[in-house]
Amino acid sequence: DVKVTQSSRYLVKRTGEKVFLECVQDMDHENMFWYRQDPGLGLRLIYFSYDVKMKEKGDIPEGYSVSREKKERFSLILESASTNQTSMYLCASSLPYVGETQYFGPGTRLLVL
Amino acid sequence: QKEVEQNSGPLSVPEGAIASLNCTYSDRGSQSFFWYRQYSGKSPELIMFIYSNGDKEDGRFTAQLNKASQYVSLLIRDSQPSDSATYLCAVLLLSSGSARQLTFGSGTQLTVLP
Repeated sequence: DVKVTQSSRYLVKRTGEKVFLECVQDMDHENMFWYRQDPGLGLRLIYFSYDVKMKEKGDIPEGYSVSREKKERFSLILESASTNQTSMYLCASSLPYVGETQYFGPGTRLLVL
Repeated sequence: QKEVEQNSGPLSVPEGAIASLNCTYSDRGSQSFFWYRQYSGKSPELIMFIYSNGDKEDGRFTAQLNKASQYVSLLIRDSQPSDSATYLCAVLLLSSGSARQLTFGSGTQLTVLP
C-alpha cells in the first residue's frame, strides 16, 4: 500500500511566522504535489515536483515555497504566514506514466491567527 | 468557464438506489479521468480511473467516459449510507502545460438516506 504521511494533522500559527509542512512518501514516487482545499473552492495546486531538487509552480504559488532535497520528502514553506493561508493542506504523490494516479496524505489543517 | 465542472449538489438518494454523479471537462485532449471519494475531514481516496470511452466497472461503482461529449460519470449501485461523502472528479489536462497535473472539480456532496 502507498503511504503518504504529513508531519502534523493540526497546526496553529501566528501571522508572520515561518511555517514548515512536511510530506513523506514510502513508495519511491517521482511526483509529489501540494494542494490546499477550501470550502467552495475545491482542491487547488500550489506546487509540484517531478524529481529531487525540481519544482514547478501550480495555480496558486504566491506566498509559498517548496523544497525537495530527497525523493521521498517534499516540504511546503509559508515564508510569512497570513490569515488567508488558513486552510487544509494536502500532499500527494504519484508515479509518472502509470495513470498519474495521485495518492493523498491525511492532510494538515492550518489555522493562522 | 471552469476546466472541470461537477454538479455541486447536494445529491440525496435513498439506500439501495443508484447514485449518478456527473463531470464535464473543457480540454478535448484530456486523457485520464479519476474519481476520488472524500469523507468529511479526511483526505481524498481514489475510487477508480478510466482512460477509454465506454464503461469501467469495479464492484458497485461504474465509471462512464464519453470523450466526444466531454463528460465522465460515476454510478454507484445499491447505494449505502457509508457512501455518503463528497465525490471529486479529476482530469489530466494536457493544456495545463504539464502532462502530470490533475485538475479537480469542486466536488459533489452525496447523501444516502437510510
